[in-house]
Amino acid sequence: ILNVEQSPQSLHVQEGDSTNFTCSFPSSNFYALHWYRWETAKSPEALFVMTLNGDEKKKGRISATLNTKEGYSYLYIKGSQPEDSATYLCAFPLTGTASKLTFGTGTRLQVTL
Amino acid sequence: ETGVTQSPTHLIKTRGQQVTLRCSSQSGHNTVSWYQQALGQGPQFIFQYYREEENGRGNFPPRFSGLQFPNYSSELNVNALELDDSALYLCASSHLLAGVRDTQYFGPGTRLTVL
Repeated sequence: ILNVEQSPQSLHVQEGDSTNFTCSFPSSNFYALHWYRWETAKSPEALFVMTLNGDEKKKGRISATLNTKEGYSYLYIKGSQPEDSATYLCAFPLTGTASKLTFGTGTRLQVTL
Repeated sequence: ETGVTQSPTHLIKTRGQQVTLRCSSQSGHNTVSWYQQALGQGPQFIFQYYREEENGRGNFPPRFSGLQFPNYSSELNVNALELDDSALYLCASSHLLAGVRDTQYFGPGTRLTVL
């Protein structure tokens, strides 16, 4: 059984704050790590797919890093905005294909004015 | 939006009944995966269909079954509903052969409540 753990469970920041959260996963048999953003009442939206140790990906104010040897990934949001409020999920493929994923429980981010 | 649609949005059933949930994949995708998200949990993989055949299953009993049609739309059927089946059910479409870098495109989910 693969365990993917995310911390913190929830986070409440003010507009303009920078924040980060963690995804921990088994470091053996690593295939890839996926990050998703899930706004309330919408579909989960893919942010990043990370495959190589030391990978760093960026999309606007959001970036992510990957350490496959120690089994963690960080997601950073710089200058948080209210529209960043969402649940951020990381997911780990069960096998060598991406379409069978084990998800963490997510980090729920709320950004207030 | 991803182009993946699900119906219905919400559903209320009673214990012991049967339910069918539907998913329309993003155009051109040949694989659909179903996930269950119970309260306070991350989505859990139920099964995947590729070219109308089941292609992998998570830790769910046989009363969870599915179908994929030639147009790649899909159904999730649950028989003998139990209270613990209350959850959000997500479908996701993708290209199976794209490998680990493949992005899955999720629908908005169907919220099932079992009373």
